[in-house]
Amino acid sequence: AQSVTQLDSHVSVSEGTPVLLRCNYSSSYSPSLFWYVQHPNKGLQLLLKYTSAATLVKGINGFEAEFKKSETSFHLTKPSAHMSDAAEYFCVVSDNSNYQLIWGAGTKLIIKP
Amino acid sequence: ETGVTQSPTHLIKTRGQQVTLRCSSQSGHNTVSWYQQALGQGPQFIFQYYREEENGRGNFPPRFSGLQFPNYSSELNVNALELDDSALYLCASRTIAGGETQYFGPGTRLLVL
Repeated sequence: AQSVTQLDSHVSVSEGTPVLLRCNYSSSYSPSLFWYVQHPNKGLQLLLKYTSAATLVKGINGFEAEFKKSETSFHLTKPSAHMSDAAEYFCVVSDNSNYQLIWGAGTKLIIKP
Repeated sequence: ETGVTQSPTHLIKTRGQQVTLRCSSQSGHNTVSWYQQALGQGPQFIFQYYREEENGRGNFPPRFSGLQFPNYSSELNVNALELDDSALYLCASRTIAGGETQYFGPGTRLLVL
């Protein structure tokens, strides 16, 4: 069975400093992995996805994630945080048989001025 | 904006009642999935419809049911509402040819009293 673990429920960084949101996954085969962002009172937005191409994936708004099979990780990073990045971030793995999405519990990113 | 719309945006019901939530898929998308997101948690997969047939279901009881119409719009019906059904209900659409990427609507927030 596939699963996703987001290692931090909350991450707090100062504006202009790097962001690291950690995600580990469990999958019996090569997975598809995603990061979604959810701003308050707004829908879920796809940040980026990995589908067995390049292991370093670039997304929107300056975010990127690196797929590391040996570590079963898919951490999300951004070099410099902006106040508008404050939101809930979800790491997601796809069941490639029927494309059911399996979600982590989320990481709340707090940006300090 | 993803082009996926949901109605209503908010709803209050009492325990034991029935509710119908609606979703209009993005143009050209023939697959719709429904998710339940309880407060402070990640979304949980309820079920998926493709060409008007349910073709995947998560761990939800039969009182959660759905429909997909020829124009690919969809309904989620919940009978005999329980207090724990209070959540944000999300609809996501995609095309089979488009693979795993799903596009989410803003959700319907249901409160059961």
